[in-house]
Amino acid sequence: RKEVEQDPGPFNVPEGATVAFNCTYSNSASQSFFWYRQDCRKEPKLLMSVYSSGNEDGRFTAQLNRASQYISLLIRDSKLSDSATYLCVVNPTGNQFYFGTGTSLTVIP
Amino acid sequence: GAVVSQHPSRVICKSGTSVKIECRSLDFQATTMFWYRQFPKQSLMLMATSNEGSKATYEQGVEKDKFLINHASLTLSTLTVTSAHPEDSSFYICSARDQSRSDANYGYTFGSGTRLTVV
Repeated sequence: RKEVEQDPGPFNVPEGATVAFNCTYSNSASQSFFWYRQDCRKEPKLLMSVYSSGNEDGRFTAQLNRASQYISLLIRDSKLSDSATYLCVVNPTGNQFYFGTGTSLTVIP
Repeated sequence: GAVVSQHPSRVICKSGTSVKIECRSLDFQATTMFWYRQFPKQSLMLMATSNEGSKATYEQGVEKDKFLINHASLTLSTLTVTSAHPEDSSFYICSARDQSRSDANYGYTFGSGTRLTVV
């Protein structure tokens, strides 16, 4: 079983729509969770950390469900500039980070 | 915020030659840096963990004699692809974390990546 699994998509949504991505992880002892954004042919950039109680940053909301071992990212009022690949990253222990395969999002005018 | 500088951003080399990629932490010290490879439409795959002053740790299936890693200082790690072949063509990215930060939720910063094309 993979450490981290994501639906690759693609998700094609109209501007203004709300879209959600889920990501499951296999190691129940995982401590830290992140969502990264990667634009085509560029390096991943940290979008937001995922806190146990859930956290929000503007139009983006991240949540953690430890019982079911998944994290989610919700994007409200989608913008064209939100089009990218969103990577789920899990840190089970120490310095080891595991990446999901990424979910491709295209926001359509 | 933490900045990681990676050079070169793009390199084309002939089959059989070696290519060196540098990764520098600009405003923090990094005892550990990570090297990833990403093939088109695939996720980042960890190749190796670079440790300052000691040997790198390679992931299963990654040839340590082909991908030489040197982490000679707290701000610089290098990856040398030796005797490169077309199948080594990929996007190589390094990352590091500012370990002076105690917040476990502080993520890693990535270099801008190196697109290697072996012809």
